[in-house]
Amino acid sequence: ETGVTQTPRHLVMGMTNKKSLKCEQHLGHNAMYWYKQSAKKPLELMFVYNFKEQTENNSVPSRFSPECPNSSHLFLHLHTLQPEDSALYLCASSQGTGGLETQYFGPGTRLLVL
Amino acid sequence: QQQVKQSPQSLIVQKGGISIINCAYENTAFDYFPWYQQFPGKGPALLIAIRPDVSEKKEGRFTISFNKSAKQFSLHIMDSQPGDSATYFCAAETGGYNKLIFGAGTRLAVHP
Repeated sequence: ETGVTQTPRHLVMGMTNKKSLKCEQHLGHNAMYWYKQSAKKPLELMFVYNFKEQTENNSVPSRFSPECPNSSHLFLHLHTLQPEDSALYLCASSQGTGGLETQYFGPGTRLLVL
Repeated sequence: QQQVKQSPQSLIVQKGGISIINCAYENTAFDYFPWYQQFPGKGPALLIAIRPDVSEKKEGRFTISFNKSAKQFSLHIMDSQPGDSATYFCAAETGGYNKLIFGAGTRLAVHP
């Protein structure tokens, strides 16, 4: 595997379910990101991790819980989601967070909350 | 002030034509302006980027024009090809934080 991979690619869940999204980067980067992409809205940054430490939480509801066990893996734990949380969730990585860093995106997980 | 406004929302261009996508921002602290390209089923990928100390950057058929005084920048795709059909996002970043603020995207369709 190369680049940034995400699993699953598609997920359907009920509002009472608990599920997790997984992201893995094979680029040797130190920073990882979660974004939400909704139809006709700009990509929204959710979380940033740098060297496994969370450096940004963009006022994300607590029903989204990120986890970064190491610099290569990033998880997004989901529980009691709402239908408006249906979106494409994108993971990205970059060498660091010092600015002017290219972010490399995974293909995303398409989430549908029923 | 953190917004980046992008237009048009969608664009249809004939093969060989010029595609132009525009973005505007308010925050004068932004100092890095990348453009990302996204194909269906894929994540966005960096296409080209510019810093405000230059007014233009060209890479192949893709050119960014930057107007610092107007706080506007644009992407020009010369000799547009059907393979350029994708969604294009402009973005802006405040130096030192790597926190990208994205525009809403432009869906480009290049017809043969």
